[in-house]
Amino acid sequence: DAGVIQSPRHEVTEMGQEVTLRCKPISGHNSLFWYRQTMMRGLELLIYFNNNVPIDDSGMPEDRFSAKMPNASFSTLKIQPSEPRDSAVYFCAGQGGTDTQYFGPGTRLTVL
Amino acid sequence: AQSVTQLDSHVSVSEGTPVLLRCNYSSSYSPSLFWYVQHPNKGLQLLLKYTSAATLVKGINGFEAEFKKSETSFHLTKPSAHMSDAAEYFCVVSDLRTGNQFYFGTGTSLTVIP
Repeated sequence: DAGVIQSPRHEVTEMGQEVTLRCKPISGHNSLFWYRQTMMRGLELLIYFNNNVPIDDSGMPEDRFSAKMPNASFSTLKIQPSEPRDSAVYFCAGQGGTDTQYFGPGTRLTVL
Repeated sequence: AQSVTQLDSHVSVSEGTPVLLRCNYSSSYSPSLFWYVQHPNKGLQLLLKYTSAATLVKGINGFEAEFKKSETSFHLTKPSAHMSDAAEYFCVVSDLRTGNQFYFGTGTSLTVIP
């Protein structure tokens, strides 16, 4: 089992550009969570899905952020347009039959 | 409401000495409690988990934690620190009534001195 896969691992972009982060959870995990980690705010839950349906997106900071889960094995987090304050490490995590969450390695986003 | 307080933002120990990372939680119901470790530039890895079975939980790499309901605590311990234990540690609470959402502590950075 490869675990949770995130891509890209690092992304450097310029302000105003569109950024798409990708996540493939562990097979059979029917809940998926997107988090953002910064030094100032720690780990923040952005959105989570259950059986591909968004359940709670109250943590999404602005309309510039959107997330989709078109099927059980793939999710995207998109930022359009990106801003320097979006620079952070973005994690996705999957959850299966238990309440344990399994985290991916993260995507380090830098917006110049 | 659920919340977690990690009492120390930084802990420094000498190699071979015991480790104690403190965590207090607040939960209206029967919580699940977790400790995760994050090494530099890595994702979060599960160390151990409590879910109302044994109050003393053993995890990976020699870590263990004891659930004390009367003290609302879930402190993480290890008898002898190793250099590879240097990392950030997060205490987490969740419960079924909030959809198993995770509530994270602010983290404790563990430094191990050779």
